[in-house]
Amino acid sequence: ETGVTQTPRHLVMGMTNKKSLKCEQHLGHNAMYWYKQSAKKPLELMFVYSLEERVENNSVPSRFSPECPNSSHLFLHLHTLQPEDSALYLCASSQDVGQGVFNYGYTFGSGTRLTVV
Amino acid sequence: AQSVAQPEDQVNVAEGNPLTVKCTYSVSGNPYLFWYVQYPNRGLQFLLKYITGDNLVKGSYGFEAEFNKSQTSFHLKKPSALVSDSALYFCAVRRPFSSGSARQLTFGSGTQLTVLP
Repeated sequence: ETGVTQTPRHLVMGMTNKKSLKCEQHLGHNAMYWYKQSAKKPLELMFVYSLEERVENNSVPSRFSPECPNSSHLFLHLHTLQPEDSALYLCASSQDVGQGVFNYGYTFGSGTRLTVV
Repeated sequence: AQSVAQPEDQVNVAEGNPLTVKCTYSVSGNPYLFWYVQYPNRGLQFLLKYITGDNLVKGSYGFEAEFNKSQTSFHLKKPSALVSDSALYFCAVRRPFSSGSARQLTFGSGTQLTVLP
């Protein structure tokens, strides 16, 4: 257990469904991230929240909608997904306050394996 | 912009032999460098990092990595490979005291290590 918990571990959904992925961290970190990992592709950074405010949105399709209600919880809301969205979705957290104060690295959760049918 | 290159998609090595997984980076200024390991259907686990100081850093599970500034490399090594070391390995870089998107970790595309019994 890394201190970052993702649920569910596996999810199968139809293209018309609406579902949410959940991430919770117990490390006292103040930044959280969503990554998409597809087979044989580099990790794709999807969203970054630092101090509960979204600071990065790397042109991710609007069918993915993040929510960060507090520094310990992060959600990824999914709707009308496509088969190519099937992937492992990884959540990570770090301690990062910017302004020249750096973090050393990220702590990752085990991921949610998403299959869109 | 910062980037990481892992030139080998796949590395095979016999158990008991030394292993090397290559990583080169591009970043302005002094880099922070990381290695992560991913086992099947799991998140990334931190192995080791270089921040400053001794160019040879030691990490978990007997792994080590050598920072070479002139060659902009940070190769991962282990003197004697185990079958259980078989996994996907990621190199990552970030620039210290940076802001905005440069503050984030940039990952390589990963190298699949297979240790043969």
